[in-house]
Amino acid sequence: GQQVMQIPQYQHVQEGEDFTTYCNSSTTLSNIQWYKQRPGGHPVFLIQLVKSGEVKKQKRLTFQFGEAKKNSSLHITATQTTDVGTYFCALSSGSARQLTFGSGTQLTVLP
Amino acid sequence: EAGVVQSPRYKIIEKKQPVAFWCNPISGHNTLYWYLQNLGQGPELLIRYENEEAVDDSQLPKDRFSAERLKGVDSTLKIQPAELGDSAVYLCASSHGGSPLHFGNGTRLTVT
Repeated sequence: GQQVMQIPQYQHVQEGEDFTTYCNSSTTLSNIQWYKQRPGGHPVFLIQLVKSGEVKKQKRLTFQFGEAKKNSSLHITATQTTDVGTYFCALSSGSARQLTFGSGTQLTVLP
Repeated sequence: EAGVVQSPRYKIIEKKQPVAFWCNPISGHNTLYWYLQNLGQGPELLIRYENEEAVDDSQLPKDRFSAERLKGVDSTLKIQPAELGDSAVYLCASSHGGSPLHFGNGTRLTVT
């Protein structure tokens, strides 16, 4: 099956610092999605990347898809306490309906 | 639009007892997923439905787990008998035409 590695597993940052989580696949991907799960909540869709080398921005969040379509990153600039949660990548090497989730990066933002 | 609705929100049972979870997806979403999420881990797919057909159930422990999606709308997931290791959050999600997943709030199962 598809292997997904997401690092780091945990990240503690001071409010205002930047944060990055990385997702790596053993296979070439057709698309990658990113989700955020707040403590006690459920995963909520953030964005989908489809094209090689694609970069998308959502306010302070920057999402990137690797040129070889095997890895992706999520970068948050100047973290805020509202960014607290676990960020998951979800990979697909075929149909977008067939998603494999990474283990997530749990972000803690210290005020 | 109403989101994905799951019930119950919490369930505590003794081992060897049966348990069932219910999911009502977003109206018009033909794809329905059941995921299992252990603490500190990502969701793991148990089964995926396209309308009423189970198209991916390779990760469903069929000796004790069963699922159905009658009429291609609501779905139930059953465990019989439950084991201690089944304690987890069971998430239901739905999507339409390959769109991103919309998750319900999940059912937190505790097996004692």
